[in-house]
Amino acid sequence: DTGVSQDPRHKITKRGQNVTFRCDPISEHNRLYWYRQTLGQGPEFLTYFQNEAQLEKSRLLSDRFSAERPKGSFSTLEIQRTEQGDSAMYLCASSLTRLAPQETQYFGPGTRLLVL
Amino acid sequence: TQLLEQSPQFLSIQEGENLTVYCNSSSVFSSLQWYRQEPGEGPVLLVTVVTGGEVKKLKRLTFQFGDARKDSSLHITAAQPGDTGLYLCAGLLSTGNQFYFGTGTSLTVIP
Repeated sequence: DTGVSQDPRHKITKRGQNVTFRCDPISEHNRLYWYRQTLGQGPEFLTYFQNEAQLEKSRLLSDRFSAERPKGSFSTLEIQRTEQGDSAMYLCASSLTRLAPQETQYFGPGTRLLVL
Repeated sequence: TQLLEQSPQFLSIQEGENLTVYCNSSSVFSSLQWYRQEPGEGPVLLVTVVTGGEVKKLKRLTFQFGDARKDSSLHITAAQPGDTGLYLCAGLLSTGNQFYFGTGTSLTVIP
């Protein structure tokens, strides 16, 4: 399977703990996006990378959140000192900008986080 | 502030009925995508439209991009239980690099 993969699929943690999620994009895609989605709502943009550069961050991304894409391939999203309000589905998507304006995102299955 | 508004938010219909979902904005998009998402999974791309007035068909699904590229619609003919899911529109602004998602339409097709 050459689609976007995310790990873990589910994470349960206690408030105050740190968690890290990984996303492996489609191999030739140069852009990688992170979104957060709560039940029944559309995804909310968090941040995106073009290759290894983080080009944009939402104001939703507090200082407890950090994302990296060190070699322009996989990416990690870390949440420090988790709060119950962080409970959500965290989605990763990748795209190939050379196809703009037909740039299309392909999503991974998501990581569902529950903070107790 | 939600850039893309979808309507209706919830829709429950009988198998065989037709339906239309709307995605509206006051902003101009260079492209717009429609996705379907099932519980616990990521959104799956259905279609991308890029030209104002463009109409694309995918079996029983018909997608239209508004002439001014500010809105779109998804029409499903003869809905089936397998069409059940959360339908999302997402737009790429002409002036930016960020995709904006709509509020979502939760569709239930009753056998």
